[in-house]
Amino acid sequence: NAGVMQNPRHLVRRRGQEARLRCSPMKGHSHVYWYRQLPEEGLKFMVYLQKENIIDESGMPKERFSAEFPKEGPSILRIQQVVRGDSAAYFCASSPTGTQNQPQHFGDGTRLSIL
Amino acid sequence: AQRVTQPEKLLSVFKGAPVELKCNYSYSGSPELFWYVQYSRQRLQLLLRHISRESIKGFTADLNKGETSFHLKKPFAQEEDSAMYYCALSFQGGKLIFGQGTELSVKP
Repeated sequence: NAGVMQNPRHLVRRRGQEARLRCSPMKGHSHVYWYRQLPEEGLKFMVYLQKENIIDESGMPKERFSAEFPKEGPSILRIQQVVRGDSAAYFCASSPTGTQNQPQHFGDGTRLSIL
Repeated sequence: AQRVTQPEKLLSVFKGAPVELKCNYSYSGSPELFWYVQYSRQRLQLLLRHISRESIKGFTADLNKGETSFHLKKPFAQEEDSAMYYCALSFQGGKLIFGQGTELSVKP
């Protein structure tokens, strides 16, 4: 089991471009969480998805950010018209259930840099 | 509001010394707390969770509801314990609230 896979590991975009971050959960896991880590800060929750459903997007900025987890394929975090402030590390985690006491398994993250 | 606080950004100790990484939380419900660790060039991984009441790599953490704390302790630090440690509170569907993290540096 390769664990949670994120790609790309590093992504460079110019202001105004779109960024697409991918996350394949661990085998058997149908719950996916995205977190963002700004420089010198801890991880901040963005969105929680189950297959084909967004369960909780309370941490997601209202504009330019969207997430999906289709029936087939990885979860995608999409950032449109990127700005310098979007530069951060984006982590994906998965768990087999969406329960409070279930630990999450993390990917290596995607480091997004905006020029 | 729910919050997790790790007051120390950096903690430096000598090998063999006791170590305590502090974590305080704010949550009105029944807390589920975790410690995650990130070693150099590795991904974030679970170290331990309060519900298990287990000791992993010599580390323990006790939930103190009166003081709303979940401090991580180890009696004798080792160089390989040097890493970034995050305390996290889980609630509402499993989403995690993380503290800012504490970098532990164990010197020889």
